[in-house]
Amino acid sequence: AQTVTQSQPEMSVQEAETVTLSCTYDTSESDYYLFWYKQPPSRQMILVIRQEAYKQQNATENRFSVNFQKAAKSFSLKISDSQLGDAAMYFCAYRSGISNFGNEKLTFGTGTRLTIIP
Amino acid sequence: ETGVTQTPRHLVMGMTNKKSLKCEQHLGHNAMYWYKQSAKKPLELMFVYNFKEQTENNSVPSRFSPECPNSSHLFLHLHTLQPEDSALYLCASSQVFVQGYGYTFGSGTRLTVV
Repeated sequence: AQTVTQSQPEMSVQEAETVTLSCTYDTSESDYYLFWYKQPPSRQMILVIRQEAYKQQNATENRFSVNFQKAAKSFSLKISDSQLGDAAMYFCAYRSGISNFGNEKLTFGTGTRLTIIP
Repeated sequence: ETGVTQTPRHLVMGMTNKKSLKCEQHLGHNAMYWYKQSAKKPLELMFVYNFKEQTENNSVPSRFSPECPNSSHLFLHLHTLQPEDSALYLCASSQVFVQGYGYTFGSGTRLTVV
């Protein structure tokens, strides 16, 4: 079974600065997908960024980028130019690359609470 | 409009009550999920429905009873719950057979068992 570990329960960053959230995972699969989700106080989980394991290039979405190290099974999220609206819980998640019944579910980490200091 | 709507947003119930949580998705997805979110724990997958058929029950106690009448609606029927069942219950939907598809989540129901 796959596991996802987020070792930082809480992080804080000064507004406009850069912060990196860590995530490691364990799997025996070679084809899979990794996600970062954001959960603000409104509680709805919002997809921030997605990475395909077969792609060497790190995914980027505006101020959000990842550092994907497949051999190390590491998938960190970098937030540049932090804004007050970035304050939220951030969850790392894993999905198998095999798309059939039973393999489509996401496995989540415990989350990192990010605080933005004005 | 999120695409996945959960009601009610908050629910307080006694241990002898019976209540239901509702989830509705308007995205044309073919899979729906119930997750339990407790403080400082990973999200726990409870049930998976694909094409309105239950394909996974993650050892959930029988006091939680899911129902999926069609691929757009998902219910979680609750009865004789325990205080430790208090949590945020999240519904999500996705597309099976589409590689790398993520989930779309609802805003959850905050359940308090007293």
